[in-house]
Amino acid sequence: EDKVVQSPLSLVVHEGDTVTLNCSYEVTNFRSLLWYKQEKKAPTFLFMLTSSGIEKKSGRLSSILDKKELFSILNITATQTGDSAVYLCAVEDNYGQNFVFGPGTRLSVLP
Amino acid sequence: EAGVAQSPRYKIIEKRQSVAFWCNPISGHATLYWYQQILGQGPKLLIQFQNNGVVDDSQLPKDRFSAERLKGVDSTLKIQPAKLEDSAVYLCASSDSKDSPLHFGNGTRLTVT
Repeated sequence: EDKVVQSPLSLVVHEGDTVTLNCSYEVTNFRSLLWYKQEKKAPTFLFMLTSSGIEKKSGRLSSILDKKELFSILNITATQTGDSAVYLCAVEDNYGQNFVFGPGTRLSVLP
Repeated sequence: EAGVAQSPRYKIIEKRQSVAFWCNPISGHATLYWYQQILGQGPKLLIQFQNNGVVDDSQLPKDRFSAERLKGVDSTLKIQPAKLEDSAVYLCASSDSKDSPLHFGNGTRLTVT
């Protein structure tokens, strides 16, 4: 059974701090790993990673995948209160576009 | 492009009652998903459609949950009868192809009392 583990489950930081969120996975036939940000409503897409070692960046957010060690990290630099959210990691298998989600990391950024 | 539309936004029912949720995916997206997200947990797949056919419903509690996507566009998810543990947010998502991310609707928050 495919499995996604995220750590930490909860994190409190102050504005300006840098945070690293972790996602490890077990999947039978890996295709991609995705990160989403979920505030009060729908999860919004951040990154899709398919290749090891290639960093994806969007502003203060960046992410990288290690397919040998089966994990990914999401970095947020110079955090802002607007970064407060649950960050979800999901893996897609190569069979039928099946996405399995982790429990999420709840990030709280204090002013 | 218009996003994934879901209704209603909120629903409160008593246990043993029935409820239905509706979803209209992004135009042209062949794959549609229903996820259940219990408070404090990640989304869990209930059912996946490819056009109007079911790809995966292995985690759908079929004794009380049903879903259909008759014309391969919009979809309904029904619960009958509801239990207290069905209280959750029901998220609909769609995707147009492999190598494309899921796009989520705003969800329906169901409370069963």
